[in-house]
Amino acid sequence: AQKVTQAQTEISVVEKEDVTLDCVYETRDTTYYLFWYKQPPSGELVFLIRRNSFDEQNEISGRYSWNFQKSTSSFNFTITASQVVDSAVYFCALTSWAGTALIFGKGTTLSVSS
Amino acid sequence: NAGVTQTPKFRVLKTGQSMTLLCAQDMNHEYMYWYRQDPGMGLRLIHYSVGEGTTAKGEVPDGYNVSRLKKQNFLLGLESAAPSQTSVYFCASSYGEGSYNEQFFGPGTRLTVL
Repeated sequence: AQKVTQAQTEISVVEKEDVTLDCVYETRDTTYYLFWYKQPPSGELVFLIRRNSFDEQNEISGRYSWNFQKSTSSFNFTITASQVVDSAVYFCALTSWAGTALIFGKGTTLSVSS
Repeated sequence: NAGVTQTPKFRVLKTGQSMTLLCAQDMNHEYMYWYRQDPGMGLRLIHYSVGEGTTAKGEVPDGYNVSRLKKQNFLLGLESAAPSQTSVYFCASSYGEGSYNEQFFGPGTRLTVL
């Protein structure tokens, strides 16, 4: 069975701090895909990134970066120099190539104060 | 493009009442999904559809029915609402085959069952 664990339920930081959101996954598939979604207070889900299991290169997009390590089954998300607008719930999700739906973690609530 | 839209945005039902949630997408996506989001639980898949006229059960299908009569629409029905169905419901759609493609989410429907 597939499973996604986001052990950090809530994180609070002060603006400009760096913060890392952890994501650990379980799957028996050799081909799979990992996602991060952001859910701001307004409630919609915003796609951030998709990574396939064959691409272990780290990804950087502005203040966001992702570290994918198959050896530890982790796909961690780091926000550099956090801002108040980063306050949201962040979900990590997993699916296999033949999968029918995303398996979501329970989410990490990030609060950034000024 | 409107993307994925959901109707209604809010609804309050009494136990035993029925209702239908409508999801519409204008991106010509084949795959459509219904999720529910409960506090501390992340998103869980209720039903999904891989094309017009086809539907399948997800992780938590009990108490719900779905129909996909038109490619652009995916309906979620509650025949006899129960308080346990109080939740936020999200519809999503994706292009191509397989859940490994990016899913585009609607804004959500907040349902309260009294």
